[in-house]
Amino acid sequence: GAGVSQTPSNKVTEKGKYVELRCDPISGHTALYWYRQSLGQGPEFLIYFQGTGAADDSGLPNDRFFAVRPEGSVSTLKIQRTERGDSAVYLCASSVDRTGTQYFGPGTRLLVL
Amino acid sequence: TQLLEQSPQFLSIQEGENLTVYCNSSSVFSSLQWYRQEPGEGPVLLVTVVTGGEVKKLKRLTFQFGDARKDSSLHITAAQPGDTGLYLCAATMNSGYSTLTFGKGTMLLVSP
Repeated sequence: GAGVSQTPSNKVTEKGKYVELRCDPISGHTALYWYRQSLGQGPEFLIYFQGTGAADDSGLPNDRFFAVRPEGSVSTLKIQRTERGDSAVYLCASSVDRTGTQYFGPGTRLLVL
Repeated sequence: TQLLEQSPQFLSIQEGENLTVYCNSSSVFSSLQWYRQEPGEGPVLLVTVVTGGEVKKLKRLTFQFGDARKDSSLHITAAQPGDTGLYLCAATMNSGYSTLTFGKGTMLLVSP
């Protein structure tokens, strides 16, 4: 079956703009995670959804970052007033349940100019 | 301070050589995972270890979890160019759900 997909694959924006990044998890997976990977670093946890609710958003760096998963499937990560330091690869992963193996998407490469 | 320290950060070897990469921490983990990430792709799970002292083999790759569940190693025998990639270790601290804490990774380059 299809894996985790993320769109867009690349996004270039200007400082101060708003961006939305989309994640389509594997069908039937109830758990969804967002991570951010900066150059030369491993992925860093941002937020975890179980179903429609954000069960753990402790990794969001500040209130410019927000994520939703209204129907328990597709998730959108929203970044307001983007800053150059937000430039990174944003990875999404899903798992069948809260303890299952995470399957990662290819990521969205965000560049803030 | 990085929770998971990986070493070396970069490794460049010739095809056929053996290598070992390390993942260390001062914390105890409920489980530890090794991922491989290729450019432009997300990490792909190689193995999960949960029991102290556990050894798992995946073809030419051998994974070991330390007795105290604070460290792990990945050994590759007779490396091939297809092994090139970023090797990441990741740990779960909370057994209730699977949020992962990653190390910075070891970038492996295997030349023909």
